[in-house]
Amino acid sequence: DGGITQSPKYLFRKEGQNVTLSCEQNLNHDAMYWYRQDPGQGLRLIYYSQIVNDFQKGDIAEGYSVSREKKESFPLTVTSAQKNPTAFYLCASATSSGGNEQFFGPGTRLTVL
Amino acid sequence: GESVGLHLPTLSVQEGDNSIINCAYSNSASDYFIWYKQESGKGPQFIIDIRSNMDKRQGQRVTVLLNKTVKHLSLQIAATQPGDSAVYFCAEKGMDSSYKLIFGSGTRLLVRP
Repeated sequence: DGGITQSPKYLFRKEGQNVTLSCEQNLNHDAMYWYRQDPGQGLRLIYYSQIVNDFQKGDIAEGYSVSREKKESFPLTVTSAQKNPTAFYLCASATSSGGNEQFFGPGTRLTVL
Repeated sequence: GESVGLHLPTLSVQEGDNSIINCAYSNSASDYFIWYKQESGKGPQFIIDIRSNMDKRQGQRVTVLLNKTVKHLSLQIAATQPGDSAVYFCAEKGMDSSYKLIFGSGTRLLVRP
């Protein structure tokens, strides 16, 4: 099955700890994205990557970091510098040629205690 | 700046009736729009998209209408079913990158039995 996966579905961390969220896709998509969603809110772009070994900040990149060492993987690290990290995190991917639709993963709900 | 917003945060409809979800956008140069459906605790799913050279596009039980004159986008769902209950987002392709989408805040659709 082709798709985009995120793990884990639920994640709990203590305040002050860094945490890394996984995102993997086997759709052969060049572009990948990370969004944050707060309750009753829309999606806000954290980081995106259009090609391997390259990524750009989105609208709310402060306190987050990413890497794109492989085409199929785009992990997101939520650092202790992020003031309010508790949220629902969504990863997406898209083709770089022609298509504009982004395909989303199931999301990871991060709760910082 | 670019923005995409929705007129109604919550829409309640009777099962079997038609639903209309509205969206306003501010960037008249945007050339691509997309509707997503998000069920509780899940990632958004693609419903239908439309390019700016079109006024209307139909899918299975869904129709998207684009009025470029007033920068308005709508999603019509025919014969609304309980399974249609979800939050619906419109998104606009950003002009500063070929692959960024700008999401509205969403409309919750509640289907009454």
